[in-house]
Amino acid sequence: AQTVTQSQPEMSVQEAETVTLSCTYDTSESDYYLFWYKQPPSRQMILVIRQEAYKQQNATENRFSVNFQKAAKSFSLKISDSQLGDAAMYFCAYRASYDKVIFGPGTSLSVIP
Amino acid sequence: ETGVTQTPRHLVMGMTNKKSLKCEQHLGHNAMYWYKQSAKKPLELMFVYSLEERVENNSVPSRFSPECPNSSHLFLHLHTLQPEDSALYLCASSHRTGDQPQHFGDGTRLSIL
Repeated sequence: AQTVTQSQPEMSVQEAETVTLSCTYDTSESDYYLFWYKQPPSRQMILVIRQEAYKQQNATENRFSVNFQKAAKSFSLKISDSQLGDAAMYFCAYRASYDKVIFGPGTSLSVIP
Repeated sequence: ETGVTQTPRHLVMGMTNKKSLKCEQHLGHNAMYWYKQSAKKPLELMFVYSLEERVENNSVPSRFSPECPNSSHLFLHLHTLQPEDSALYLCASSHRTGDQPQHFGDGTRLSIL
């Protein structure tokens, strides 16, 4: 069965500092996609970054980057220069090709001014 | 604003009531989804519709009844719910099933008395 695990229920970071959120997943597939979604208090889920498993290069979107370790089935999210607006729930998600998306339990990130 | 609108934002109902949740998207998407988000649990996919046809039903109790009259609207009809059904219900849409990003609405916070 495919599962997504986020071992950190809560994290905090000082404003302007860097924080890394962990995610591991379990799958027997070789072709799949991984995502990080952000859910601020407004409740709207927003896609932050995506990674195709066949790409070795780690995805980057402005201050957000991932460390994708396919053999270890690890997909961590690094947020650089943290801002107050980054405070939110962050969900790691997995999708095998054309299959449903499986979400992890989420990590609540607080940003300390 | 992601283009996905859900109403109502909050709903409190008794176990014997009948109510409906509404989702509307004007993004030209062909796929729509219902998710349930309970406290401290991963997002659970409930239903998937593609071109108004239900393509997935993840063992959801029959007290939840989806309806997709056209590709822009999705309803979730509720009747004789249980206290454990209290949760945030999120609607999402995408170009095709399985596509990312999925565009999420703000959700309906449902409380069952």
